[in-house]
Amino acid sequence: AQTVTQSQPEMSVQEAETVTLSCTYDTSESNYYLFWYKQPPSRQMILVIRQEAYKQQNATENRFSVNFQKAAKSFSLKISDSQLGDTAMYFCAFMRTSGTYKYIFGTGTRLKVLA
Amino acid sequence: EAQVTQNPRYLITVTGKKLTVTCSQNMNHEYMSWYRQDPGLGLRQIYYSMNVEVTDKGDVPEGYKVSRKEKRNFPLILESPSPNQTSLYFCASSLGGRSEQFFGPGTRLTVL
Repeated sequence: AQTVTQSQPEMSVQEAETVTLSCTYDTSESNYYLFWYKQPPSRQMILVIRQEAYKQQNATENRFSVNFQKAAKSFSLKISDSQLGDTAMYFCAFMRTSGTYKYIFGTGTRLKVLA
Repeated sequence: EAQVTQNPRYLITVTGKKLTVTCSQNMNHEYMSWYRQDPGLGLRQIYYSMNVEVTDKGDVPEGYKVSRKEKRNFPLILESPSPNQTSLYFCASSLGGRSEQFFGPGTRLTVL
């Protein structure tokens, strides 16, 4: 069974600094997708970034980028130039693409950006 | 406006009283899913549907039912709610299973 682990329950970062959130997963699949979702205090879930496992190039979306290490089963999220609006809960998620389309989410990392 | 709507947003009920949480999307998405969010546990998938009349279990389906009679609607049914189903519930939809999921605003359910 697939699992997703986020080992940092809480983190904080100064405004304008860079922070990295870690995520590791366990799977025997070769094809899958990985996601980072953001949940601000409003509770709305928002997709931050998506990575397809067969793509070696790390995904980037503006200030957000990932470090995808397939062999190590690691999928960390780097937030550059942190802003107060980045304060949120961040969830890493895994989805297999063969057979079923089940999603597995991690337990989340609560990030606080300090002014 | 493209969106996923859930109703009700808040619900307090008692053990054993059947309830339904509705979910509707206006984006013609094929994939729909239900999650529950609990502190320290993240989001856990309850059920998902790849298309009309096609549903499958997620990781925590016990005590829940779903149906997908129309593409836009995916209601979550609790036939006999129990206090351990007190949680924050999210419905989500996507164009396909591999696409970005769009989430509804959440339903806070309390079972006394």
